[in-house]
Amino acid sequence: AQSVTQPDIHITVSEGASLELRCNYSYGATPYLFWYVQSPGQGLQLLLKYFSGDTLVQGIKGFEAEFKRSQSSFNLRKPSVHWSDAAEYFCAGTMDTGRRALTFGSGTRLQVQP
Amino acid sequence: DGGITQSPKYLFRKEGQNVTLSCEQNLNHDAMYWYRQDPGQGLRLIYYSQIVNDFQKGDIAEGYSVSREKKESFPLTVTSAQKNPTAFYLCASRGPKNTEAFFGQGTRLTVV
Repeated sequence: AQSVTQPDIHITVSEGASLELRCNYSYGATPYLFWYVQSPGQGLQLLLKYFSGDTLVQGIKGFEAEFKRSQSSFNLRKPSVHWSDAAEYFCAGTMDTGRRALTFGSGTRLQVQP
Repeated sequence: DGGITQSPKYLFRKEGQNVTLSCEQNLNHDAMYWYRQDPGQGLRLIYYSQIVNDFQKGDIAEGYSVSREKKESFPLTVTSAQKNPTAFYLCASRGPKNTEAFFGQGTRLTVV
């Protein structure tokens, strides 16, 4: 079955520290992959997306993600976290066939300490 | 501005009532989706529609119904058959292949 896994439910980092959020996928072939961010009570905002090509993808707000086929991973990174980055982060994937719906991981809640 | 509008933002339902959540998009997208979000469970697909007048069940369709009479609109009805309807509901749409999904701001439904 197609799935996306985010192993970390909750992560706390200090402001200014680097961040890496993990995402693993399980698909029969390379899926399209996305990272979204959600503030409390709000919808989802796209941070970045990977369809093909360069495995290092740049997104908004200083985020980047690296696609690693050998590890079935698409981890999200940021070199220096700001207090405003505190939110919930979702990794999602799709093969973009059939129903074309995104399958989401369970999310990682990021807390930023001053 | 193009986007997806969900209404209302908050909705309260009594036991045994049906309620309808609105989702409207002006992005000219063919595909629309309804997700349910519960704490710690990510987003789960309820229903989706890839074209007007056609829709399909997602992974957790029991107790829900939808319609797609217009390209812009994809309302979700939470029926009395849904035993645990309290959740955050998100509507999304997608354009052609190789594009992302766009989300509305969500509706929080609470059973009172």
